[in-house]
Amino acid sequence: TQLLEQSPQFLSIQEGENLTVYCNSSSVFSSLQWYRQEPGEGPVLLVTVVTGGEVKKLKRLTFQFGDARKDSSLHITAAQPGDTGLYLCAGAASGTYKYIFGTGTRLKVLA
Amino acid sequence: SQTIHQWPATLVQPVGSPLSLECTVEGTSNPNLYWYRQAAGRGLQLLFYSVGIGQISSEVPQNLSASRPQDRQFILSSKKLLLSDSGFYLCAWSGGLWTSGSVSYEQYFGPGTRLTVT
Repeated sequence: TQLLEQSPQFLSIQEGENLTVYCNSSSVFSSLQWYRQEPGEGPVLLVTVVTGGEVKKLKRLTFQFGDARKDSSLHITAAQPGDTGLYLCAGAASGTYKYIFGTGTRLKVLA
Repeated sequence: SQTIHQWPATLVQPVGSPLSLECTVEGTSNPNLYWYRQAAGRGLQLLFYSVGIGQISSEVPQNLSASRPQDRQFILSSKKLLLSDSGFYLCAWSGGLWTSGSVSYEQYFGPGTRLTVT
């Protein structure tokens, strides 16, 4: 069974601080997505990484896919209250149409 | 552009009653469609997915079923709801492994349905 473990589960930080969220698995994924979800809404896609070692930046967010395509990280620089939400990673296994979701990281940024 | 709709947004149903949640996608053809359930503040559990009309794959044995009567319509059903069926249900679509000759991995979600079984 493929699993994606996210850490930390909860994170409460002050505005302006930096943070990193990790997404780890023992399985190889053909791609990995990161989503942010607000309470009562569907997840919104932030980024997709496909190539091992790939780094993508979205304003203050930096996403990295591990060289072996088994893990990924999300780094937020100078966090703002608007970054508050549930962050989810999801991996797509090769040759399948299924996505395996991580356990989620709930981030709260205090003003 | 593509859009995905889910309804109803919220639903309160008694135990033992039937269920029908509907999801439709606009602006794309032959999408892969998915039903997920989410526990409060946690990750998503894949319930069903479909790669074409009438083709349903079940991931978790449970009190629910899914159907895809049309290309862009996906329905989640139950004949008799249980208390444990309460949760936040999300429909999603993706372009599948190949879209217009290139690989496409993006998955897009609807707004969700909050189901409370009483």
